[in-house]
Amino acid sequence: LAKTTQPISMDSYEGQEVNITCSHNNIATNDYITWYQQFPSQGPRFIIQGYKTKVTNEVASLFIPADRKSSTLSLPRVSLSDTAVYYCLAGGFKTIFGAGTRLFVKA
Amino acid sequence: GAGVSQSPSNKVTEKGKDVELRCDPISGHTALYWYRQSLGQGLEFLIYFQGNSAPDKSGLPSDRFSAERTGGSVSTLTIQRTQQEDSAVYLCASSLDTGVSQPQHFGDGTRLSIL
Repeated sequence: LAKTTQPISMDSYEGQEVNITCSHNNIATNDYITWYQQFPSQGPRFIIQGYKTKVTNEVASLFIPADRKSSTLSLPRVSLSDTAVYYCLAGGFKTIFGAGTRLFVKA
Repeated sequence: GAGVSQSPSNKVTEKGKDVELRCDPISGHTALYWYRQSLGQGLEFLIYFQGNSAPDKSGLPSDRFSAERTGGSVSTLTIQRTQQEDSAVYLCASSLDTGVSQPQHFGDGTRLSIL
């Protein structure tokens, strides 16, 4: 199971773009990279998933370099409601959720 | 559509009592997972079920913890002789299968408090 490392916390302001980088140096060939968002008193919610290069959906983009040893979640124009914990996972069904990155968006 | 449902949402019990936590996965999802989350921490994997296969119990912290999944749908996590260190949020998730690209869908958890 690939171990991931991400910053413990980040601060931003409304309207800014936020980039959260995650390292997963021992990612396996068939592992996907998945990001989840968790609000207080709720379960994690799937945001985006990718295998290589770039993936974009209606809420975020995910950038994965060719060596796949890291990935960057990009949140465009964050709002106060994006304040949450963001988890990066590299792996399959028995994924390891670390402590995540606490993003705090200020007005 | 209906998501993963967990009950109860909160449970307070005395040390030494047994508790049962219930999870209703999304219909059609063959994989089901249990996690534990302590305050301010990440998620700790406990057990997972895939179809009719034997469950992967490798994350269960002690033999006081057990889980079953009846009929490939509803699952119950049982904690016997509860201890104060069992206090945490217990999260259940389901996915279509255990393929590496299948994201998990989580319930909002059961907050367990042991007095």
